[in-house]
Amino acid sequence: GESVGLHLPTLSVQEGDNSIINCAYSNSASDYFIWYKQESGKGPQFIIDIRSNMDKRQGQRVTVLLNKTVKHLSLQIAATQPGDSAVYFCAEKSAGGSYIPTFGRGTSLIVHP
Amino acid sequence: DVKVTQSSRYLVKRTGEKVFLECVQDMDHENMFWYRQDPGLGLRLIYFSYDVKMKEKGDIPEGYSVSREKKERFSLILESASTNQTSMYLCASSDGRGGGETQYFGPGTRLLVL
Repeated sequence: GESVGLHLPTLSVQEGDNSIINCAYSNSASDYFIWYKQESGKGPQFIIDIRSNMDKRQGQRVTVLLNKTVKHLSLQIAATQPGDSAVYFCAEKSAGGSYIPTFGRGTSLIVHP
Repeated sequence: DVKVTQSSRYLVKRTGEKVFLECVQDMDHENMFWYRQDPGLGLRLIYFSYDVKMKEKGDIPEGYSVSREKKERFSLILESASTNQTSMYLCASSDGRGGGETQYFGPGTRLLVL
């Protein structure tokens, strides 16, 4: 599990390194997954999404990997920059379910120059 | 690009005041949502709306009400603000049609109730 705020899991990396942020989900019926980035004092921003019929999707400097067997999602950020410092959290949604995704608690990424 | 705007970034109110938080989206989205975000508790859904004049309770509706008179606008109302409603309030919208489940968030309103 994850927690947010004072007890938020934290990943510290050096500028230029690759970062991997992980998310475990519990609902095997989930078929749509989203990663958000939330900078301090701002609302969450959509980064990338993936459907359950895929196991990998790439964006600009970001890659999302989905392992449905172990119900695990990861976000990889290449050549991490100080501007990538933020809280990252995943969201999952079930096929044919409600409009409401389930949000993870988040991981704080700190990028050291 | 989807744009979700919230009427205020910061608000300070006194206990017992009636508080209105406004949210507007410009993408003709069907669904709109209000969350609050607190350290250690993550995002918690207060209310959502899937159509004009329609509303559904989320996980923590107590002490709040909402209004959706127009498709693009979703208002959150604190009838009588209390100190435990001090929080970051986030509005979101999603298309809801053709698999458009992605929620797009506004910048947030940080509310302090004294």
